[in-house]
Order: sequence, then structure tokens, then C-alpha cells
Amino acid sequence: QQQVKQSPQSLIVQKGGISIINCAYENTAFDYFPWYQQFPGKGPALLIAIRPDVSEKKEGRFTISFNKSAKQFSLHIMDSQPGDSATYFCAASAHTGGFKTIFGAGTRLFVKA
Amino acid sequence: DTGVSQNPRHKITKRGQNVTFRCDPISEHNRLYWYRQTLGQGPEFLTYFQNEAQLEKSRLLSDRFSAERPKGSFSTLEIQRTEQGDSAMYLCASSASRTGNQETQYFGPGTRLLVL
Repeated sequence: QQQVKQSPQSLIVQKGGISIINCAYENTAFDYFPWYQQFPGKGPALLIAIRPDVSEKKEGRFTISFNKSAKQFSLHIMDSQPGDSATYFCAASAHTGGFKTIFGAGTRLFVKA
Repeated sequence: DTGVSQNPRHKITKRGQNVTFRCDPISEHNRLYWYRQTLGQGPEFLTYFQNEAQLEKSRLLSDRFSAERPKGSFSTLEIQRTEQGDSAMYLCASSASRTGNQETQYFGPGTRLLVL
């Protein structure tokens, strides 16, 4: 019940294309859903996050779509750039759990120039 | 303040030795989290502190692992009698419940441990 399932495992996108990463969760107590970006040898960095009371959040080229009834959420990267090549993790946490974060397994994104 | 810092960045040790890692959170962040990340996987929660109190420990944290945050500022994670399976990146994150934004965790660069 604590799992967050992420797909695909890897993704190759042309420069300028749209990258889409999907996640699903089971625990309905989760009330915060962040996405992290991680470059090799670095710690994860928060990219964008959403709470379940909204269905979409957009920040620049990054958009989270959230479907509470399906317990699914996704990250869309518009106009993907080579500099976006990194590993992306979806995650979930609950205020009742002290916001300890449960991470998906990650998606390795490669944007071809 | 430039963010969460962790030391050392890399540690190579022999099986059976003890190691200690340090995490300095963002100033005035009163929550501090430890995670472990193995190659190709997402970080896994180990434990977290609110101020100096350790509020939760994962089942991943065997009795060889101990974490402290003695004055509610920096934290240490010690692994005793290291095993090869302990080889991983150990990540620290902090967040600030006092300011109201409890959810956002800021991660440090991690300490990469290799047990030979």
C-alpha cells in the first residue's frame, strides 16, 4: 500500500518533443505529490509538486496532471531540451506520516538533440 | 545558507568497519530525513527527526544503524560492522514545519558509501 509505481523505466524524446512520465499510488492517505529531478552524482531536486485538491499544476514547461479517483498522476515536460536529460522520480507523502517520502523507481529521460 | 550539506561525499571502507556520516540541514529547518538510494532505484526512507526527537525509523534501519540529532541541528548516521549490502548513496533532506511549508524537502548531495 505504500508503493508508488512509475513508468516508463526509460524514455528517449527528440528535442522539442513532449516527455510524459506516469505514476500510480494506492495509499489514499497521501496528500502531497512531488516530482524530483536527479542528475548523476547529485541529490534529488524538487521540480514541481501538487496536492490532491487540484487536477493540474503548471510551472513553466512542467505540468503535473492529477487524477484522484484513479490514483494516478503524471509529469509532462513540454519542449523537452537536452538539458532535461536526467532521472525523474515521482513521489508521495502524507502529513499523517510526517511527510516521509515514498519514491517511485525513477525514469531515465534522454532528450536527443 | 546554501542548502543541505553532507560529509563526506564519498567513503570507501572494508567490511566490518564502522562509518559515520554527517548532515547539516538548512538553517532553522526543524525536520531532517535520511534516505538510502541504491543504483537505479529511488531513494528509500530510513528515519526522520523533528528537532532532536527521532520520530520514525524504517524497518530498513537494522540495529547496526543509528542516527542522532543531538541539538536539533546537524545529524549523524552511523553504520556499525558494515556489510557489502550497505553500499549505497545516503541522502539527507530537511524541511521547515515552523514556517508552515512542511512538505517540501530539500536534499543534500549525498554520501556515496562503498563497502569492499
